[in-house]
Amino acid sequence: QVQLVESGGGVVQPGRSLGLSCAASGFTFDTYGIHWVRQTPDKGLEWAAGVSHDGDKKYYGDSVKGRFAISRDNSRNTVHLQMNSLRVEDTAVYYCVRGPLSNVWYSQFDPWGQGTLVTVSS
Amino acid sequence: QSALTQPPSASGSPGQSVTISCTGTSSDVGGSIFVSWYQQHPGKAPKVMIYEVNKRPSGVPDRFSGSKSGNVASLTVSGLQAADEADYYCCSYAGNNYWVFGGGTKLTVL
Repeated sequence: QVQLVESGGGVVQPGRSLGLSCAASGFTFDTYGIHWVRQTPDKGLEWAAGVSHDGDKKYYGDSVKGRFAISRDNSRNTVHLQMNSLRVEDTAVYYCVRGPLSNVWYSQFDPWGQGTLVTVSS
Repeated sequence: QSALTQPPSASGSPGQSVTISCTGTSSDVGGSIFVSWYQQHPGKAPKVMIYEVNKRPSGVPDRFSGSKSGNVASLTVSGLQAADEADYYCCSYAGNNYWVFGGGTKLTVL
């Protein structure tokens, strides 16, 4: 079945870097856009970044622009989120999600991975 | 870009109907057909319930329906069941390859 599995979460100090990975299976990976959506208890869900099906186009939410970088490897069915200059407010569960930016008509965010927790704390 | 506005909570008795609103602007909800709704049970990942304002993915009961009027989108759950108790989030495309979510609504089945 269609599945997305995140890895790489953990505890990191403010100002440091962390990389998240997402491994996809069960669908034609290079057809679909992949996004990272994060969730905090007080702010709910926030779209953080998205990459097009071919990896050529990358877009970011205002709160992470200039600090985070999304990339994908279609030969390995993986997506990576490099998070630099981390802040306490980046603390969240990060979900990898299939979604728009595909080369087929696909507007929804579905499915979602199980999420990985990133905690930014000194 | 600001988050969409949802009521923090909503409730209804089994069998009743409840409607959750999602208020945006003409730049997102009002100007887009790409409005979607997600259900999230505690400790679980979100699941799409409605996409493109009023379309239901296969497997989602027809008790769930979506609509939009101006800058306000709505999710209606009819024939409430205990399993519908969850958090619900709206999402809208906001142009320029940017997406915005609502703050979430906790639905309680009394």
